[in-house]
Amino acid sequence: GQNIDQPTEMTATEGAIVQINCTYQTSGFNGLFWYQQHAGEAPTFLSYNVLDGLEEKGRFSSFLSRSKGYSYLLLKELQMKDSASYLCAVRTSKSNAGKSTFGDGTTLTVKP
Amino acid sequence: GAVVSQHPSWVICKSGTSVKIECRSLDFQATTMFWYRQFPKQSLMLMATSNEGSKATYEQGVEKDKFLINHASLTLSTLTVTSAHPEDSSFYICSAPNRGSGRPEQYFGPGTRLTVT
Repeated sequence: GQNIDQPTEMTATEGAIVQINCTYQTSGFNGLFWYQQHAGEAPTFLSYNVLDGLEEKGRFSSFLSRSKGYSYLLLKELQMKDSASYLCAVRTSKSNAGKSTFGDGTTLTVKP
Repeated sequence: GAVVSQHPSWVICKSGTSVKIECRSLDFQATTMFWYRQFPKQSLMLMATSNEGSKATYEQGVEKDKFLINHASLTLSTLTVTSAHPEDSSFYICSAPNRGSGRPEQYFGPGTRLTVT
């Protein structure tokens, strides 16, 4: 089976840095995604890692260690609009158009 | 980026009736689309993979006769919830990868909120 674990909730202060962890145990691995989802809206893509290491994109960075089955999403200079749910997803299919399994999401609340 | 639309945005129907939800890729062709459902404060649960020109692949526990999927063209997939019951009330979201772009992520539609009374 597929198992993806993330903390349920996190709280941080505006301007701070927060790290959201994700661990996974899946049958097959073909990339890990992070999506942001605001309440009542569809998820939007944040980052993608398929090789070990850090991917940086503006205020957002994502790290992957395949041997440890571990990833994290790092958000810097937090803004109020960053309050949302953050979903970790693992693509298990060999096909690059294959399905992904989603974690339960981490609800981040940014306080002033 | 690629755009995926869904229609309707929200729908209220009576128990026992059927509801059709459309998912369209507006500026790219999607041979594969995914259908998810999401309950409040929960994550996305994959229901099925829709394949253009062939039968959909359903996830374990999802009734294929209840959730009918048709992917008749490269830009349109439909999900029909048949004989809907209140427990089918949920947020239904579709997504599609844009193979032609070479990008790995899925593009999500805005979702359809279904309420069955």
